[in-house]
Order: sequence, then C-alpha cells, then structure tokens
Amino acid sequence: DTAVSQTPKYLVTQMGNDKSIKCEQNLGHDTMYWYKQDSKKFLKIMFSYNNKELIINETVPNRFSPKSPDKAHLNLHINSLELGDSAVYFCASSHLATGGAYNEQFFGPGTRLTVL
Amino acid sequence: KNEVEQSPQNLTAQEGEFITINCSYSVGISALHWLQQHPGGGIVSLFMLSSGKKKHGRLIATINIQEKHSSLHITASHPRDSAVYICAVISDFGNEKLTFGTGTRLTIIP
Repeated sequence: DTAVSQTPKYLVTQMGNDKSIKCEQNLGHDTMYWYKQDSKKFLKIMFSYNNKELIINETVPNRFSPKSPDKAHLNLHINSLELGDSAVYFCASSHLATGGAYNEQFFGPGTRLTVL
Repeated sequence: KNEVEQSPQNLTAQEGEFITINCSYSVGISALHWLQQHPGGGIVSLFMLSSGKKKHGRLIATINIQEKHSSLHITASHPRDSAVYICAVISDFGNEKLTFGTGTRLTIIP
C-alpha cells in the first residue's frame, strides 16, 4: 500500500564507492523528484523527471545520475562517493501541473546515506 | 539570504495552546506547500495553496500573495503535533521546483 517507497532506508558505505538508491511510486503520478536534506535539515531539489524525461537539474555534481526506466520509477546512482554526500535523500512524486494548477507532492520515507 | 524564511526557528508550547508558524518569501510564486516532518524523518504534505485559506482538522493555512506571506496555525495543540514544519514555494518560472524554508521545530509539552 506504500505510495512512494525507497530502498534502502539506510546506506553506509566507504568513500569512493558507487551506490544506487531506488524509488518507486504507485500513485499513477507522471512526475518524480529527488531531494537532498543536509545535516542542518535543509531540503533542496536535485532532479525532477516527467514521463521519464529530465525537467529539473539543479547544480548537482555529475557524479549523481538519475535514471527513470518508466514513469513509476526514478533511481539515483552516485559514483565516487564523497564524505559531503552524507545526507538523507528523499524521493517524491506528483502529477505535473496543468492549466496553472499545481499538485501536492508525496514524499518517500527517505534514505539515510552515510559515507565513511 | 534564503528565498523562503520561516519564523520562529524553534517553538515550545504547552498542550492546548494556539500555534502560529510564519513563512515569508521573496520570489513570485505559483503555489505554496506546508509540509510536516515527523521525528522519525518522514515528510507529509499538509497543504498546498495559492490563495486564501485552507483548513484540515485542527490545522489552518493562510496565504497573502500581495504580502508574500503565509501562516500555519494549529488549534488545541497536542504533543503529537511535535514535528518540524516546512514551508516550500513553487516559483512562477513555470517549472515544478520546490524551494524550501529552513523549517520550524515545534515541541508541544503535555
């Protein structure tokens, strides 16, 4: 019944490794997002996909590569992990705005990434 | 300076008190989100509004577009309302990007 799910919930890894976080939504939404919440609990958009196409790409190192195999999934792959990548990563989904009406976003439970 | 500012940063109140959390923003917006982040970390959408006022149970959200200000009110506060409340705006640039405030940590004491 989970609307937006993420795996894994916790990820502890060494610097330099490559890791992926998976996100799936069963809400029938066409837009998905990745957000990063830093140690000060500040949230910031990283990427957004609509129907598998990238629509938002903030200033994120190119070590981060989102992949959307279909509109229900948006995975985040991170190469050459650095200490500063330690954070909580949230996936979210919504319907794309139509006619100027924006739709609320539904968030996954978050993935706590710790880079040692 | 952040585009979205919230006040207060921290708020402690007794159970039953009326709570107000404020959000001011400096950009033109299409809509504003109020979110609740539980102590366990999960984020829940409370309201999305672009004008006027919305009410859901003991929660009320208002927005004044001209003054670029929104408030979240909680009536008859309860310890289970203890959480971080986050204001986020969708700018009027035409994309879906949310810009977040720094959050208000609310603690309700029994």
